[in-house]
Amino acid sequence: GAVVSQHPSWVICKSGTSVKIECRSLDFQATTMFWYRQFPKKSLMLMATSNEGSKATYEQGVEKDKFLINHASLTLSTLTVTSAHPEDSSFYICSAFRETQYFGPGTRLLVL
Amino acid sequence: SQKIEQNSEALNIQEGKTATLTCNYTNYSPAYLQWYRQDPGRGPVFLLLIRENEKEKRKERLKVTFDTTLKQSLFHITASQPADSATYLCALDGGSQGNLIFGKGTKLSVKP
Repeated sequence: GAVVSQHPSWVICKSGTSVKIECRSLDFQATTMFWYRQFPKKSLMLMATSNEGSKATYEQGVEKDKFLINHASLTLSTLTVTSAHPEDSSFYICSAFRETQYFGPGTRLLVL
Repeated sequence: SQKIEQNSEALNIQEGKTATLTCNYTNYSPAYLQWYRQDPGRGPVFLLLIRENEKEKRKERLKVTFDTTLKQSLFHITASQPADSATYLCALDGGSQGNLIFGKGTKLSVKP
């Protein structure tokens, strides 16, 4: 149990386009989901906390208009990187909370 | 602010030996502490959670200790195998909504 999926697993896009990443808890409901970003050989950096039915809480320094988060249901949260630029290239990981955080497999984004 | 340190960026050991990883923290008294395993290009996988009132917890070949006086957790893998090679992350209870504060991780390499 406690399986979390992410889609897509990797994406390449042109600069200026928007990219949506989905995070789903497959076998449990999660009122809270988290979005992280990870740079090579670095630890996880929390971007925002996503709560079902309410606005996400963003960490300091994370632009909420740049990284749009929608937690539409108890099993789905989406992260949209708007007007992506090469510096947004990274590994994005979500987690869903049920007693602890269960992580998705991650999405690698490359912006050309 | 809270600070969490994993004392080694990398640890190399011989197959069959016990791997011991250290996690220290300051300026905080977490209610619980967790250990995750992360393989390259993948999301972290939850291993163990230990609460502040627990001294030790075991799961198969894994053992975690939690010393709230020393503000330290030790993570042991006994009879280590090459398949145990990965980065191991220590994470503290972040105080609200299931938030976690992650260490930078220790990359464990088990040589045959």
